Amino acid sequence: EMQLVESGGGLVQPGGSLRLSCAASGFTFSSYSMNWVRQAPGKGLEWISNIGSSGYTMYYVDSVKGRFTISRDNAESTLYLQMNSLRAEDTAVYYCARGLKFMDVWGKGTTVTVSS
Amino acid sequence: QSALTQPASVSGSPGQSITISCTGTSSDVGGFDYVSWYQQHPGKVPKLMIYDVNKRPSGVSNRFSGSKSGNTASLTISGLQAEDEADYYCSSYTSRSTWVFGGGTKLTVL
Repeated sequence: EMQLVESGGGLVQPGGSLRLSCAASGFTFSSYSMNWVRQAPGKGLEWISNIGSSGYTMYYVDSVKGRFTISRDNAESTLYLQMNSLRAEDTAVYYCARGLKFMDVWGKGTTVTVSS
Repeated sequence: QSALTQPASVSGSPGQSITISCTGTSSDVGGFDYVSWYQQHPGKVPKLMIYDVNKRPSGVSNRFSGSKSGNTASLTISGLQAEDEADYYCSSYTSRSTWVFGGGTKLTVL
């Protein structure tokens, strides 16, 4: 069964940092582009970052550029999101999702709360 | 990177058909055939329902169909069922090599 499991969320103060992880299983992780998508409480989905299958190409939504860094370890089948300079508006459930043109496998999400 | 425009809510009775629109620009919806649709029930994970404008993943009911005309994509659900009540989001690849979602549409089955 294809599965994505996120971890690393929690409560952090404004200006702080967190590193999210997404462990993949049940498919050949290294063959797929991967994404992070977030959903603020009561709000819609927001795509925030994509990384190519080899890890050489990365793309970001403007609101996180310079603060968030996406990366992957294909040997460990794990996707990461390093989040720095966190703001209250980054509070959300963060999902990892598989895919390039569309996202067909999603994790259950990990919650990030930015608050003092 | 503005969100695609979707109606906030739509409703229909069981057995009826409804259509949800998703309007973007020539830099996203109109420029690529990479529109996808996701269903999200409250507290649940999004589920892919349509990809590449009009393709259905294995296991998705053929009551769901997608189309596109110019800068507007549409999701049609025919033969509405109570279980279809959920939030629906469109998404498109963009000319900046990024992805953008719509604001979401709440479907109520009356």
